[in-house]
Amino acid sequence: AQSVSQHNHHVILSEAASLELGCNYSYGGTVNLFWYVQYPGQHLQLLLKYFSGDPLVKGIKGFEAEFIKSKFSFNLRKPSVQWSDTAEYFCAVTPGTYKYIFGTGTRLKVLA
Amino acid sequence: SQTIHQWPATLVQPVGSPLSLECTVEGTSNPNLYWYRQAAGRGLQLLFYSVGIGQISSEVPQNLSASRPQDRQFILSSKKLLLSDSGFYLCAWTAVGPPYEQYFGPGTRLTVT
Repeated sequence: AQSVSQHNHHVILSEAASLELGCNYSYGGTVNLFWYVQYPGQHLQLLLKYFSGDPLVKGIKGFEAEFIKSKFSFNLRKPSVQWSDTAEYFCAVTPGTYKYIFGTGTRLKVLA
Repeated sequence: SQTIHQWPATLVQPVGSPLSLECTVEGTSNPNLYWYRQAAGRGLQLLFYSVGIGQISSEVPQNLSASRPQDRQFILSSKKLLLSDSGFYLCAWTAVGPPYEQYFGPGTRLTVT
């Protein structure tokens, strides 16, 4: 069965530290990849997405992610986090059907 | 612009009671609609999705059912709630066509007592 793994369940960083959240998926075909973010008390919203082309994609608020097909990975990065980045982050995959598969999420806490 | 509504925002129901959660989308036509359950540490579990009126696909056999009586309305129901049905329920929509990003509603917090 298709699945998405997010290895870090809880991450605590100080402001200005660099961030990398891991995401691996299990599906051998073409996939479309997403990162969503849920700030405290807010809706889930799209952070960035990859459909095709340049495997390094940039999203909102300085986030970026790199699709490495050979590693089935789509890791999220940010060079310098801010307190306002405190949120829960979800990686999601769709193999091009109607079905979207989400990871279990990573809770990020940034200390001021 | 498109908007997605869910109600109620919170709900406390006794075990064995019925359930009806409603989701409506504005500003788009013929969306694909989804129901998820979000549990702490377990991510989003896809429950149902619909690609058109009356068309429901179930992903997880359970105590819940879904219906789509109108193009932009998606309802999650249960005849008899179980304690294990407690959780945070999210509705989402996507545009028809290539796999576009999903847009999520504010969610309903359901507590079964």
